[in-house]
Amino acid sequence: QKEVEQNSGPLSVPEGAIASLNCTYSDRGSQSFFWYRQYSGKSPELIMFIYSNGDKEDGRFTAQLNKASQYVSLLIRDSQPSDSATYLCALDRGSTLGRLYFGRGTQLTVWP
Amino acid sequence: GAGVSQSPSNKVTEKGKDVELRCDPISGHTALYWYRQSLGQGLEFLIYFQGNSAPDKSGLPSDRFSAERTGGSVSTLTIQRTQQEDSAVYLCASSARDSQRGTQYFGPGTRLLVL
Repeated sequence: QKEVEQNSGPLSVPEGAIASLNCTYSDRGSQSFFWYRQYSGKSPELIMFIYSNGDKEDGRFTAQLNKASQYVSLLIRDSQPSDSATYLCALDRGSTLGRLYFGRGTQLTVWP
Repeated sequence: GAGVSQSPSNKVTEKGKDVELRCDPISGHTALYWYRQSLGQGLEFLIYFQGNSAPDKSGLPSDRFSAERTGGSVSTLTIQRTQQEDSAVYLCASSARDSQRGTQYFGPGTRLLVL
């Protein structure tokens, strides 16, 4: 089993809808979880991090973490065409400054 | 403040040549990471530096790959005798011991094409 698995996508939603991106992980020792956005031809940029069970909201983005079920998700409310990108889920394995483990990403397209 | 910078932004080389890729992390970031990303693929970890030492170099794909970091700052990734399968985007990231739980900030990447 891979360290981090993301729903394969691609995911396509209309403008204004809620986009839901999911990620599961295998190592229960993982402590910090990150969502990065990567536009085509660009490098990943951080959207959010979360390390406590529950929800964390930042503007139109909400990250949800459930350590018991070993999943983390990202909800994008009021999706915009500018949200069209690949979303990468990443986690550590309990070492704050160690490497991050990345999923392969979910490609999101928001159509007008 | 300034983000992570990488140079060159693009590099085209011939098979068998050596290449050097440079990363300049965010000032004050003690941790530095190299990843690579092949077309349409996820991020592949290569090596991690804490200061000038590399506690985790498990991702280096072969002994043709090496990296060093000097002065706790700039890092150089060297690929010797390049092969076509080395073609990828090489991404550098840096991180600091701060309240953001080791968040890594990425540079723009170096696009390497081996002909």
